[in-house]
Amino acid sequence: DSGVTQTPKHLITATGQRVTLRCSPRSGDLSVYWYQQSLDQGLQFLIQYYNGEERAKGNILERFSAQQFPDLHSELNLSSLELGDSALYFCASSVGDTLQYGYTFGSGTRLTVV
Amino acid sequence: DQQVKQNSPSLSVQEGRISILNCDYTNSMFDYFLWYKKYPAEGPTFLISISSIKDKNEDGRFTVFLNKSAKHLSLHIVPSQPGDSAVYFCAASAEAAGNKLTFGGGTRVLVKP
Repeated sequence: DSGVTQTPKHLITATGQRVTLRCSPRSGDLSVYWYQQSLDQGLQFLIQYYNGEERAKGNILERFSAQQFPDLHSELNLSSLELGDSALYFCASSVGDTLQYGYTFGSGTRLTVV
Repeated sequence: DQQVKQNSPSLSVQEGRISILNCDYTNSMFDYFLWYKKYPAEGPTFLISISSIKDKNEDGRFTVFLNKSAKHLSLHIVPSQPGDSAVYFCAASAEAAGNKLTFGGGTRVLVKP
């Protein structure tokens, strides 16, 4: 158990629908990151929050949004889902801004859009 | 445009021998590099990192080498163990981009007993 909790582990939904993925960071970690891993691709950075504020944004689609709440958990909202959104979505957390020990990843949410 | 590339999708090595994983990058702004290991149905696990001010970092069986002029880094695992069988990802970051990591596509390592 890495200490980063992601729910749900699996999600199957239809095209056009909206889903919310949830992430609880490791205790004490202020930064939360979201990554997408599509089939046969490496992990693609989506967005980072630090202590409730957006810190960095990657190639996140306009149909996707995220936020970090005062208790530091984060949610990734995916709307108007398309077949191509099927992927593993990982959340990671870190204490602050240092990368010396990397991030700690959760085990991911597998999203299947049918 | 893939800024971080792992050109070997897979690697097979005998237990006890050395595993060498390679990674190339194109963005000269990258100044911090990390290696992650991933088992099926789990998230990536941090292994080792190196700053661009160093050319080598060692942690137990894992050593990362950085060649800035060639924009190349490698991960050496010695000796390889069956439990090392996993997918290994190389990742890079640039200070200007904060803690965003750019990942390579991964190399699947199989350690044969």
